[in-house]
Amino acid sequence: EPEVTQTPSHQVTQMGQEVILRCVPISNHLYFYWYRQILGQKVEFLVSFYNNEISEKSEIFDDQFSVERPDGSNFTLKIRSTKLEDSAMYFCASNRLGQPQHFGDGTRLSIL
Amino acid sequence: GQQLNQSPQSMFIQEGEDVSMNCTSSSIFNTWLWYKQDPGEGPVLLIALYKAGELTSNGRLTAQFGITRKDSFLNISASIPSDVGIYFCAGQLEGSARQLTFGSGTQLTVLP
Repeated sequence: EPEVTQTPSHQVTQMGQEVILRCVPISNHLYFYWYRQILGQKVEFLVSFYNNEISEKSEIFDDQFSVERPDGSNFTLKIRSTKLEDSAMYFCASNRLGQPQHFGDGTRLSIL
Repeated sequence: GQQLNQSPQSMFIQEGEDVSMNCTSSSIFNTWLWYKQDPGEGPVLLIALYKAGELTSNGRLTAQFGITRKDSFLNISASIPSDVGIYFCAGQLEGSARQLTFGSGTQLTVLP
């Protein structure tokens, strides 16, 4: 069964550094998402993306965050200048119109 | 934004017992989804509900979309050890590329 794949599985970064999290959505999906989950808390929406544009974004998704679909298969989340509070699991998800979202296994981001 | 209240927060049950958990919201959702999350992994879709009053089963799992569109429940019958994990409800408004709003999760422990 096709899966959403995310790399790396764990990223350790110094505070203030830029980080790029990578996702390969399921190949025939057109809608892409990023969520985050702080340890022990619920999953929170960051941003949705369709047709090379952001569709929705939450208050968490401020100017430090950006998303990009650089080619036909990858979907990336960039955090420009990381803060301690950015430490979390980051999940990518994708779906087709009218179908439920499927999630990857996440990237654990640790900011030192 | 929308808030989901999920209960109970945790449950300890004997293997073979049935279990029920639910989510309520002050907002109306057009889709309700139930996911299971194992440690170190992303949420895995269990059941998707698209119409008010809909009752859907997936093996030993049964979920219902409340008539008011503001609630949903998930039942697990004859629990087994591999049912251990965190169960999340998620609601979605109508439209494409719409964010999921997650509940806070129910941690299920199945005792032998």
